[in-house]
Amino acid sequence: DVKVTQSSRYLVKRTGEKVFLECVQDMDHENMFWYRQDPGLGLRLIYFSYDVKMKEKGDIPEGYSVSREKKERFSLILESASTNQTSMYLCASSSQFGTVYEQYFGPGTRLTVT
Amino acid sequence: AQSVAQPEDQVNVAEGNPLTVKCTYSVSGNPYLFWYVQYPNRGLQFLLKYITGDNLVKGSYGFEAEFNKSQTSFHLKKPSALVSDSALYFCAVRIPNSNSGYALNFGKGTSLLVTP
Repeated sequence: DVKVTQSSRYLVKRTGEKVFLECVQDMDHENMFWYRQDPGLGLRLIYFSYDVKMKEKGDIPEGYSVSREKKERFSLILESASTNQTSMYLCASSSQFGTVYEQYFGPGTRLTVT
Repeated sequence: AQSVAQPEDQVNVAEGNPLTVKCTYSVSGNPYLFWYVQYPNRGLQFLLKYITGDNLVKGSYGFEAEFNKSQTSFHLKKPSALVSDSALYFCAVRIPNSNSGYALNFGKGTSLLVTP
């Protein structure tokens, strides 16, 4: 089974702190994604990566950056956390090849910025 | 622009009754369509997908969905609802060869409540 893990289930940070959210997948997937989920807004794509050291902006990249130094790991960075970044953050991965197009999700990190 | 829409924020069904969760899409070409389910405080779990072929696709936990190109819909269905089906359901679309690569565009979600 595909497994996507995220470093924390719950996180509380203060305004202005630098925050790192880590995601690891064990299926050798090429693609990795970061979404944020807010009530009534569904999932919105922040960044995605289709290869090591490659990254592409999604729909709402402002205030975020990412890092992908190894194929299995994709990190989301909040350079200076703000209260409007309080949200559920979901990481996902998928294969670039074959006929399996669906994404596999981690359990999510609920981030609260105070 | 939103390329997939879930017109209902919440659907209420009695246990044992059939359920339908609606999804419509608004993209050109032949989209790849997906349904995911999210239980409280959990990540999303894949239920089923339509890529090509038979318009009726079957997925996990007894769910199925019908792709209707003329109505641009991909409604999720189950013949007999269970209380344990209560969760948040997301429809998603991947546009082949889009500039967004392999990302999915998600609807806003529909909360399904199945009452005993």
